[in-house]
Amino acid sequence: EAGVVQSPRYKIIEKKQPVAFWCNPISGHNTLYWYLQNLGQGPELLIRYENEEAVDDSQLPKDRFSAERLKGVDSTLKIQPAELGDSAVYLCASSLGRGVTDTQYFGPGTRLTVL
Amino acid sequence: GQNIDQPTEMTATEGAIVQINCTYQTSGFNGLFWYQQHAGEAPTFLSYNVLDGLEEKGRFSSFLSRSKGYSYLLLKELQMKDSASYLCAAMDSNYQLIWGAGTKLIIKP
Repeated sequence: EAGVVQSPRYKIIEKKQPVAFWCNPISGHNTLYWYLQNLGQGPELLIRYENEEAVDDSQLPKDRFSAERLKGVDSTLKIQPAELGDSAVYLCASSLGRGVTDTQYFGPGTRLTVL
Repeated sequence: GQNIDQPTEMTATEGAIVQINCTYQTSGFNGLFWYQQHAGEAPTFLSYNVLDGLEEKGRFSSFLSRSKGYSYLLLKELQMKDSASYLCAAMDSNYQLIWGAGTKLIIKP
């Protein structure tokens, strides 16, 4: 069974440029998460989807970040414009549901560097 | 507020045993997860505890005390490949994972 797929793996951009990350969750997983992870820190939740509905986006900086999950499968996270402080690893995870036994499985992440 | 505490770094010797502790404070509690993360890679699931006691899975065991807000991950017969960060995460009443900063485990020959 294929795992969570993310692309690109690495991205280097200049500040004020836009950037987009793509995620394909494990087949059949209804819940999708976008996390941000800084070096030496744990993941920080940006947004959680239940199918195509964003049910928890309280930590998403909505002035510059946006996300969508069309048809409840693939998802895209966008930053526009990027700032120096956005340099981090962006992780996508999926789970069958959001219950206690629904383990989150992570993709390899996209390492973003903003110059 | 919600908080997870775990040591920043630990060092152990190949073949030995190491215990990584985690204390948590969350709004409600729906279980405690441990993940392993090798440098530059994604976190991978190791264990889940929701009831008090010890869960054993091969060389890895995880313990939970709900009354103390405490968990530990026990790694036996350490191998060089166990060098990684170990992330503790507690699930709150909204089924959201609250993550610790991770414990970097260094294994020496």
